[in-house]
Amino acid sequence: QVRLQQWGAGLLKPSETLSLTCAVYGGSFSGYYWSWIRQPPGKGLEWIGEINHSGTTNYNSSLKSRVTISGDKSKNQFSLKLSSVTAADTAVYYCARCSLRSGYYYNWFGPWGQGTLVTVSS
Amino acid sequence: DIVMTQSPDSLAVSLGERATINCKSSPSVLYSSNNKNYLAWYQQKPGQPPKLLIYWASTRESGVPDRFTGSGSGTDFTLTISSLQAEDVAVYYCQQYYNTPPTFGQGTKVEIK
Repeated sequence: QVRLQQWGAGLLKPSETLSLTCAVYGGSFSGYYWSWIRQPPGKGLEWIGEINHSGTTNYNSSLKSRVTISGDKSKNQFSLKLSSVTAADTAVYYCARCSLRSGYYYNWFGPWGQGTLVTVSS
Repeated sequence: DIVMTQSPDSLAVSLGERATINCKSSPSVLYSSNNKNYLAWYQQKPGQPPKLLIYWASTRESGVPDRFTGSGSGTDFTLTISSLQAEDVAVYYCQQYYNTPPTFGQGTKVEIK
């Protein structure tokens, strides 16, 4: 059964770069798109972007200028970098896998990583 | 971006009673070429990531109890919990995957009355 485990720094100062990594266990990294999704405290969910095994990425236009998602097939890992963070970027960040059905990708998500709370404060 | 709007924001239901959550998309998430609605539902309990319940608006994910039912088409969708159990207390989100970026509703909190 596929399991996602994520890690990264939980406390940042304004203008710093957020960096998180998600490792995939018990399943193939290839053949799927892998996403980052965030959730500000007490609020809803926002999709940040995705990457596939070939390194193809798609980003939410609301964050595109600050986001980089990269992957490492050899380690079954993918990473998120978000630059120039502000207090508005304080959130729980999740990694998640898309669905693959009959050779087509669909962006409903499961499984999910455990989540990492990232707080931006001076 | 497609806007997803849920109602109500919260509801309290007695144990064993029915809970109904609505989700409206703007515009439609029905893909005419395959007649499928690109709509999923998730359950999120405190301190946990969301859990996929339903996709294609009405297909239950493996292992999800059959008291959870998704329905609707086009722009109007419903998640029904037929007989609320204590473990169903959570926030529920709808999400469209019709196009990029995938977007979520604001969530509906379900509590016990």
